[in-house]
Amino acid sequence: NAGVMQNPRHLVRRRGQEARLRCSPMKGHSHVYWYRQLPEEGLKFMVYLQKENIIDESGMPKERFSAEFPKEGPSILRIQQVVRGDSAAYFCASSPTPQGRYFGPGTRLTVT
Amino acid sequence: GQQVMQIPQYQHVQEGEDFTTYCNSSTTLSNIQWYKQRPGGHPVFLIQLVKSGEVKKQKRLTFQFGEAKKNSSLHITATQTTDVGTYFCAGLEATDSWGKLQFGAGTQVVVTP
Repeated sequence: NAGVMQNPRHLVRRRGQEARLRCSPMKGHSHVYWYRQLPEEGLKFMVYLQKENIIDESGMPKERFSAEFPKEGPSILRIQQVVRGDSAAYFCASSPTPQGRYFGPGTRLTVT
Repeated sequence: GQQVMQIPQYQHVQEGEDFTTYCNSSTTLSNIQWYKQRPGGHPVFLIQLVKSGEVKKQKRLTFQFGEAKKNSSLHITATQTTDVGTYFCAGLEATDSWGKLQFGAGTQVVVTP
């Protein structure tokens, strides 16, 4: 059973471009969570999704950020018009229940 | 809102020594989870504690959940260089309906041979 997969692992974007981060949960997991981690800091919750539904997006910035988990395919975290402050590691986690968390390897986003 | 605090932020340990990292929540938790993140890696689930006063052991790691279910500790004995990394606690608030884990800022552990 493959673990949580994220791609790309590293992403470089210029200010103003769009960043698309993908997450494929573990097989059988219907709960997906996105977290952001700044250097030397903890994990900040962004959004919790189930298939085709956003359950909680209270950690998402109101502008430029969006997330989806379609019926088919991976979950996508989209950041429009990226700024330097968006540079961080973005981790996706999946779970068969709302309790546990299995984290993916993360996408390290660098905005130049 | 719920806050989870971890101390110390940094822990320098001589190989072979013991140390403890502490986690405190501002609210009562239904459970607490511990994760380890190696430098450049991703968080890896270590354990979950659910019951008041619960103590669980994993080899040289001992995890404890407080009686009031508002604090937890991780004690590592005979530290090894493989213990290097950041240890995060994450609390699940008792009143939370879906399981929004609140992570602490972590304890970064450096082991000197």
